[in-house]
Amino acid sequence: GNSVTQMEGPVTLSEEAFLTINCTYTATGYPSLFWYVQYPGEGLQLLLKATKADDKGSNKGFEATYRKETTSFHLEKGSVQVSDSAVYFCALSDSNTGNQFYFGTGTSLTVIP
Amino acid sequence: EAGVAQSPRYKIIEKRQSVAFWCNPISGHATLYWYQQILGQGPKLLIQFQNNGVVDDSQLPKDRFSAERLKGVDSTLKIQPAKLEDSAVYLCASSLGRSGGTNEKLFFGSGTQLSVL
Repeated sequence: GNSVTQMEGPVTLSEEAFLTINCTYTATGYPSLFWYVQYPGEGLQLLLKATKADDKGSNKGFEATYRKETTSFHLEKGSVQVSDSAVYFCALSDSNTGNQFYFGTGTSLTVIP
Repeated sequence: EAGVAQSPRYKIIEKRQSVAFWCNPISGHATLYWYQQILGQGPKLLIQFQNNGVVDDSQLPKDRFSAERLKGVDSTLKIQPAKLEDSAVYLCASSLGRSGGTNEKLFFGSGTQLSVL
């Protein structure tokens, strides 16, 4: 079946530190991969996505590369800011299952000044 | 562009009571989803509609949960009777729902936080 596994948090970093949040997936077909972000008090919103192997999604300084050989989609940012404090969810969507989305458990990030 | 609207924002009820949540998706979005997000976990799909038809309700506890999407626009999710373990945030999301769209983007509402006492 389809599933997503994320590194557990919470993660606490100092401003300008390097961020990596690991995500691996299991899928029956050829999924699209996503990172969603949930800021405090708000709904989930799309951060970035990649639709095929070796694609790199990027937005707001965050990047993630679709690695089929390692079934991974790790989220990275070179220099985090306090405003990046949020919960980050890795997700996949598989057309074999009616485009249903499967979410990881989320990783809470706190950036301190 | 208006986003996905949900109400109420918060709801506190006692166990065995009933509760209903409402969702109005983005105009023109054919696909509507209800997710349950328990504290510390990722969203879990309860039901997925394509227009006014159900695509997937395999994880909906049908003995107590029900959902409808009349006229293929807004939707209601009901719990009757509620249990303590139903305490969670209930998220509504929508997408364009194009056929074969494997890279569809989900738009989420702010959710309804339910506390069952």
